[in-house]
Amino acid sequence: LAKTTQPISMDSYEGQEVNITCSHNNIATNDYITWYQQFPSQGPRFIIQGYKTKVTNEVASLFIPADRKSSTLSLPRVSLSDTAVYYCLVGPLVGADGLTFGKGTHLIIQP
Amino acid sequence: DTEVTQTPKHLVMGMTNKKSLKCEQHMGHRAMYWYKQKAKKPPELMFVYSYEKLSINESVPSRFSPECPNSSLLNLHLHALQPEDSALYLCASSQDSGYGYTFGSGTRLTVV
Repeated sequence: LAKTTQPISMDSYEGQEVNITCSHNNIATNDYITWYQQFPSQGPRFIIQGYKTKVTNEVASLFIPADRKSSTLSLPRVSLSDTAVYYCLVGPLVGADGLTFGKGTHLIIQP
Repeated sequence: DTEVTQTPKHLVMGMTNKKSLKCEQHMGHRAMYWYKQKAKKPPELMFVYSYEKLSINESVPSRFSPECPNSSLLNLHLHALQPEDSALYLCASSQDSGYGYTFGSGTRLTVV
């Protein structure tokens, strides 16, 4: 599995756009990039997944450059409730081998 | 039903006790997982069941014993645990394609 590197922590303010970048230099051709969000004492929650270019859903956007060696999770107009740990994972879609989590990014939103 | 339900939410047990954690999903997912998460650390994979058969055991001590009675249920039997086993135990499920894992809220286990 490709190793991922994310900032350990980030701070921002309510109403701002937050971008969290993940580095995955050894990404394989059949790997997808998936982001999960986790609140304290809860299980991780799927946010968004993509293979290349840009993916957008109702909560976030995911930007993936052409070389796919990094990706950026973009959270528009964050609120206090977006304070959580965000995990970037890279791996193939096929196969039930379980997810391997990196250290994640602890995002703290202030009023 | 798009949830993974774990019971109990909290559990305190002594080192000589035997207890079980339960996990249930009704999404038709054929892969189910147990994870262990210590405070301020990422979840760590323990076991994977695929089509009700144990497919991955990440060198977990034998005091943890998983069981998959049917495609909707997953148990984790606990015996002779140590205080360092105290953690949040998470259950997850997925289609066998691995896309979009769904996690439960976990069982907070304290071993005294």
